[in-house]
Amino acid sequence: EDQVTQSPEALRLQEGESSSLNCSYTVSGLRGLFWYRQDPGKGPEFLFTLYSAGEEKEKERLKATLTKKESFLHITAPKPEDSATYLCAVQAFNNNDMRFGAGTRLTVKP
Amino acid sequence: DAGVTQSPTHLIKTRGQHVTLRCSPISGHKSVSWYQQVLGQGPQFIFQYYEKEERGRGNFPDRFSARQFPNYSSELNVNALLLGDSALYLCASSLGSVEQFFGPGTRLTVL
Repeated sequence: EDQVTQSPEALRLQEGESSSLNCSYTVSGLRGLFWYRQDPGKGPEFLFTLYSAGEEKEKERLKATLTKKESFLHITAPKPEDSATYLCAVQAFNNNDMRFGAGTRLTVKP
Repeated sequence: DAGVTQSPTHLIKTRGQHVTLRCSPISGHKSVSWYQQVLGQGPQFIFQYYEKEERGRGNFPDRFSARQFPNYSSELNVNALLLGDSALYLCASSLGSVEQFFGPGTRLTVL
């Protein structure tokens, strides 16, 4: 069965303190791995799709990387507005649904 | 362009009642998926529809049903509501089956 585990559950950073969020996954034939950002009470906002090991994508202070077993979301010099829950999800070739992890709740203090 | 829209924003029902949630996808998107998100957890897949046909179904009871209309909008219906159905219900649309873009969700509270 496809599984996604995110760590840590919660992360508190000072503004400017870089860090990484982890997403470990098991899937039978990866079609894509997805990162979303979710603010409280709102729908997830799409960030990245990664398709194969070794792939990297960047957007502003965020960089996502992918290996055969895990993905990292690196946050460089975060700002308070980066505070949110970051969700990781996988989709297999034999499925049309996305399997989500529980998310990492990030708080960035000024 | 408008993103995915959902209605209503909030809903309060009592146990045993029925609820209908609505979703309009991004213009040009033919696929709609429904997810349930309980507080503190990631979204859990309920259904996917593409061109009005069901393409996937998650591990939810038969009390949950959905349909997609010719204009690609969709409805999620839940019968015989239970307290455990209280959640944020999310709709996502996509061009194919890969990147999915979410709406703001409908917050359902069952008393």
